[in-house]
Amino acid sequence: QKEVEQDPGPLSVPEGAIVSLNCTYSNSAFQYFMWYRQYSRKGPELLMYTYSSGNKEDGRFTAQVDKSSKYISLFIRDSQPSDSATYLCAMIEAGNNRKLIWGLGTSLAVNP
Amino acid sequence: GAVVSQHPSWVICKSGTSVKIECRSLDFQATTMFWYRQFPKQSLMLMATSNEGSKATYEQGVEKDKFLINHASLTLSTLTVTSAHPEDSSFYICSAQTHLGVRQETQYFGPGTRLLVL
Repeated sequence: QKEVEQDPGPLSVPEGAIVSLNCTYSNSAFQYFMWYRQYSRKGPELLMYTYSSGNKEDGRFTAQVDKSSKYISLFIRDSQPSDSATYLCAMIEAGNNRKLIWGLGTSLAVNP
Repeated sequence: GAVVSQHPSWVICKSGTSVKIECRSLDFQATTMFWYRQFPKQSLMLMATSNEGSKATYEQGVEKDKFLINHASLTLSTLTVTSAHPEDSSFYICSAQTHLGVRQETQYFGPGTRLLVL
């Protein structure tokens, strides 16, 4: 079993839809959780960064962490065609280990 | 803030030649830099971690003599693919991390370098 599981999709939604992206993990030592967006042939771009259970909102994006269930989500409201990209979750253990553990990424297409 | 650049953005080379890729943190000091490789439709695969002024730590299965990493300053790391072969063709991405501030664990990524070895 991988440490981080993420459905690769692809996920296709109409413009304006609410998108829900999810990752589950098995390592209870993960303390920091990130969502990155990657456009084709580009490096990942940090979208959200959280380190505690609960919700964090930034514009149309909401990150949710449930440490008891080892489950994180990213919600995108009022999705736009420009949101079409691959979304990767990533996690880090507390302490000196600074390696990101990645999900496979979910490919999202928002259709106009 | 937190901008990372890579150069070149793409390179085509002949088999057997060496290619150097630069990664720079433009507006912050990167105490740690990471090098990743990404194949089409796959997630990022960590190749090595480098701390400024010390030798890089390579992941299992990554040949340190083939992928030379130098992190001589707090804003620059280089990856040299030596004696490149077609199977080394991939998308190489660096990231930079600072040990200062609130977001110490956050990695900021460069735009990537696409390498094609003929």
